[in-house]
Amino acid sequence: EAQVTQNPRYLITVTGKKLTVTCSQNMNHEYMSWYRQDPGLGLRQIYYSMNVEVTDKGDVPEGYKVSRKEKRNFPLILESPSPNQTSLYFCASSLGATRSEAFFGQGTRLTVV
Amino acid sequence: DAKTTQPNSMESNEEEPVHLPCNHSTISGTDYIHWYRQLPSQGPEYVIHGLTSNVNNRMASLAIAEDRKSSTLILHRATLRDAAVYYCILRDIGAGGTSYGKLTFGQGTILTVHP
Repeated sequence: EAQVTQNPRYLITVTGKKLTVTCSQNMNHEYMSWYRQDPGLGLRQIYYSMNVEVTDKGDVPEGYKVSRKEKRNFPLILESPSPNQTSLYFCASSLGATRSEAFFGQGTRLTVV
Repeated sequence: DAKTTQPNSMESNEEEPVHLPCNHSTISGTDYIHWYRQLPSQGPEYVIHGLTSNVNNRMASLAIAEDRKSSTLILHRATLRDAAVYYCILRDIGAGGTSYGKLTFGQGTILTVHP
């Protein structure tokens, strides 16, 4: 089954403790991205990747890092999480950047206390 | 980024057609029109997309105005499972730029389906 898998689904952590949210897709997609969803602000893109070893900032990249060492994986790294990063995070992938449909993961609800 | 305008909410009865409008008066020639929906507690789900011509798939139809400044997502027979937030999005296919490939989600339309 074609899918985007995020882990964990829920996470509560403390300020400053590094964490990684994993994202994996099984569709051989080239384009992957991370979004965060906050009430009243909608979904905003954090980072995206056009292909292996090619990543770039989205609209709200501060406080986040990503890597794309393999085509299927696109982890989101919070080196020093802060409470303002409490949010619902979604990973997405698509065959290309523009014309094709994007598949989203189920989401990771992160709480930083 | 070109913006879209949608009604905040709409209501429908089960098994009736639903027409969800979207205005995008500043659309550029390189923008595809995408529709996604988000069911409660789930990630967004692709519905349909198009450039100039009307499009049909198993989920819905997309009617695009001749000047491309507006579009309408048509659910032919709404079911309770169609209750969701529907997003109309312009996806830039222009080469390069920070908006390349980005899905810019607005507030969407909350669709309520009554039994």
